[in-house]
Amino acid sequence: DTGVSQDPRHKITKRGQNVTFRCDPISEHNRLYWYRQTLGQGPEFLTYFQNEAQLEKSRLLSDRFSAERPKGSFSTLEIQRTEQGDSAMYLCASSWEDQRRGYTFGSGTRLTVV
Amino acid sequence: AQSVAQPEDQVNVAEGNPLTVKCTYSVSGNPYLFWYVQYPNRGLQFLLKYITGDNLVKGSYGFEAEFNKSQTSFHLKKPSALVSDSALYFCAVRDRDTNAGKSTFGDGTTLTVKP
Repeated sequence: DTGVSQDPRHKITKRGQNVTFRCDPISEHNRLYWYRQTLGQGPEFLTYFQNEAQLEKSRLLSDRFSAERPKGSFSTLEIQRTEQGDSAMYLCASSWEDQRRGYTFGSGTRLTVV
Repeated sequence: AQSVAQPEDQVNVAEGNPLTVKCTYSVSGNPYLFWYVQYPNRGLQFLLKYITGDNLVKGSYGFEAEFNKSQTSFHLKKPSALVSDSALYFCAVRDRDTNAGKSTFGDGTTLTVKP
């Protein structure tokens, strides 16, 4: 297994456009997480899935954000009508349910909204 | 609610000296605690975890951490620092009793080991 893959690595978009990111987790892991990280801050929780079910979504997340994990495999995170404040590194991670080895993180997608 | 505090933005140590990176946590139930490391231009990597049992846990690259329930702390330690240990370190907590899936991270501590 090659670990957690995220695509694209970088995305520059104009304010108001929609963007979609993809995450391919480690295949044996049944949990998948999305976090957001800005400079000088730790990762901030967005949402997570167990298999295909979205079990929790951060209250900080506006309705412009949506995530899916069809068939419990890869996941997508979509941001509609992007704003400059959405500029951040978006991290995907996967784990076993008991987090016996913690999270395995991908390298992230860096979003810049101009 | 759960939270993590890493009181030091920066820790500087000389190579060969012991290092400590501090972490305190708050959680409603019993904690799962984790340390992750982020090297420049690389993703976050799992270092070690505490779930239950022995308060001293050992992890990757010679790191260890001590769980102290009364002080709600989980400090990261290493007896002899290497220059290659220079990186950004994050502590994280998860509430074990609620089986909540998410971990909450601190804001990180930059460790610099000087030759």
